[in-house]
Amino acid sequence: QSVLTQPPSVSGAPGQRVTISCTGSSSNIGAGYDVHWYQQLPETAPKLLIKNNNNRPSGVPDRFSGSKSGTSASLAVTGLQAEDEADYYCQSYDSVLRGWVFGGGTKLTVL
Amino acid sequence: QVQLQESGPGLVKPSETLSLTCAVSNYSISSGYYWGWIRQPPGKGLEWIGSIYQSGSTYYNPSLKSRITVSLDTSKNQFSLNLNSVTAADTAFYYCARHASRLGGSDYWGQGTLVTVSS
Repeated sequence: QSVLTQPPSVSGAPGQRVTISCTGSSSNIGAGYDVHWYQQLPETAPKLLIKNNNNRPSGVPDRFSGSKSGTSASLAVTGLQAEDEADYYCQSYDSVLRGWVFGGGTKLTVL
Repeated sequence: QVQLQESGPGLVKPSETLSLTCAVSNYSISSGYYWGWIRQPPGKGLEWIGSIYQSGSTYYNPSLKSRITVSLDTSKNQFSLNLNSVTAADTAFYYCARHASRLGGSDYWGQGTLVTVSS
């Protein structure tokens, strides 16, 4: 049971828009701690996709965007491409657990 | 381009100590940033293990704190993880990573190394 809750899977057709939610609580996202998103392609290390809620590191396409509100955050992917098929994880900090917390991961399938 | 590379035994016996090293290239670990370890059991999600700052200050996952040590070796530009009293539950891919904040956001990762705990 992960501290941050993500849907196990989402899917969309090429060109469509999908969103992945990340729900936390008052001790992590709701406490104001930043949310980071990672993309993990099969058999590879995670890659930082969105940092500090809504900032894209250099080289990340602007098709990816992040937002945060209250105790939740979301990752949006527009103009879906086959190469976006991967697992996506959200991560924040929890003041009660005193450490990083991750979501359980969401598998994005491009139909 | 900053590069990180994990190294260490791929097989560790139960109750023994898992020791991994992360060699960093194209960036001096004493220049800044936090350096950490994250693991992922096969087919499962990510778990933060612990991090160390350039000053040597350490931050550990409370659930693992009694068993882990993370250290820096600035002369070799690398950092290390020791996890003692391992069990099968510690079998996982272990990744080293760099982050600007102790709260997360790792921008560079090693490729990961699978460590299996088995007799």
